[in-house]
Amino acid sequence: KNQVEQSPQSLIILEGKNCTLQCNYTVSPFSNLRWYKQDTGRGPVSLTIMTFSENTKSNGRYTATLDADTKQSSLHITASQLSDSASYICVVSPIKAAGNKLTFGGGTRVLVKP
Amino acid sequence: DAGVIQSPRHEVTEMGQEVTLRCKPISGHNSLFWYRQTMMRGLELLIYFNNNVPIDDSGMPEDRFSAKMPNASFSTLKIQPSEPRDSAVYFCASSFGGMELFFGSGTQLSVL
Repeated sequence: KNQVEQSPQSLIILEGKNCTLQCNYTVSPFSNLRWYKQDTGRGPVSLTIMTFSENTKSNGRYTATLDADTKQSSLHITASQLSDSASYICVVSPIKAAGNKLTFGGGTRVLVKP
Repeated sequence: DAGVIQSPRHEVTEMGQEVTLRCKPISGHNSLFWYRQTMMRGLELLIYFNNNVPIDDSGMPEDRFSAKMPNASFSTLKIQPSEPRDSAVYFCASSFGGMELFFGSGTQLSVL
């Protein structure tokens, strides 16, 4: 069964510090991996999309890495800000542009404290 | 563009009542998705439309759920009759080609 596991489930960090979120998947075949940010009371917003040939992609202070061999991805947040408090969801697609075949992780809830 | 627009933002209803959720996708997008999000199960795909045609409704939980897309700019998700276990946040998302999904702000549904 295709699965996406995220860790930790939640974490608290101090403003200005860095943190790294993990995503392990068993989805096969694999086409692309996405990270979404979901603020409380809002819909998820795409941060990065990586195909199997990409091993890193950045979006501002967010940097995602991908190791397609070990089926692991990470999302690194640099110099965290209060606005980074949100849930971060890892999503894997087995087929390019198959929006109905996505497997969602359970998310990591991040709380940034001043 | 204003993004994906959903209405209402919040809906409180009593068990047995009909509930209709509405979605206006981003202009020019040809794919539309309805998702349900709960703490226990996370995000689950309910139904997927491509060019206004339902392509995959395998996630629709039961016959009480139905969805329509009469044109490229409007879709509805209907629950009749509603039950307390339907309480969740319902998201509509659209995309062009199914690659990057753009989500609406969701409808928080509470069935009492």
